[in-house]
Amino acid sequence: SSELTQDPAVSVALGQTVRITCQGDSLRSYYASWYQQKPGQAPVLVIYGKNNRPSGIPDRFSGSSSGNTASLTITGAQAEDEADYYCNSRDSSGNLVVFGGGTKLTVL
Amino acid sequence: QVQLQQWGAGLLKPSETLSLTCAVYGGSFSGYYWSWIRQPPGKGLEWIGEINHSGSTNYNPSLKSRVTISVDTSKNQFSLKLSSVTAADTAVYYCARGPYGDYGYYYYYYMDVWGKGTTVTVSS
Repeated sequence: SSELTQDPAVSVALGQTVRITCQGDSLRSYYASWYQQKPGQAPVLVIYGKNNRPSGIPDRFSGSSSGNTASLTITGAQAEDEADYYCNSRDSSGNLVVFGGGTKLTVL
Repeated sequence: QVQLQQWGAGLLKPSETLSLTCAVYGGSFSGYYWSWIRQPPGKGLEWIGEINHSGSTNYNPSLKSRVTISVDTSKNQFSLKLSSVTAADTAVYYCARGPYGDYGYYYYYYMDVWGKGTTVTVSS
């Protein structure tokens, strides 16, 4: 299968914890990667592999995986975390790259 | 620190061919997939295709008939051509580097370095 499914929108109160999920058959064999995109900017990698953060990404961002579902958790959401978040992996064959449809995170 | 610099024509007429190039600075070209991704106005990310250092390509099936991705390892550059463009191809186009591998029991793939994006508008 070559689809990754995300909820279109999620909201979180400032300082609270939010989980953004991504579902797809390929996630049974591929770790999802996660990207943050703010308006007018290129996507930025925030989580990759089992639960790795690139340099400069705050440790309030974490990733996890179970079965066909990957999750991005933001613990103590900040106003600057308001953005679109996309998950990504390869498909089950390994030949194609797939993105989730994106989740718009609103910090209240 | 690896940087990707991309360029190409930003305004096209219907039926023309989109042509973009992405140059890799500060890092090795081998050992990665090099991808093109696009984002129509107000919409999500769409993977177009990829190439590795040896020239092996994979394309999104929905675009495969119109896409060609090529590589010039002597210049550390890779390029995208999309033929017969229409208004539906209007988007911001990004290039990106894709590390990949496995932990023995699970695979990983991600895009860790992105170009700044090129806005391409198709209009008569």
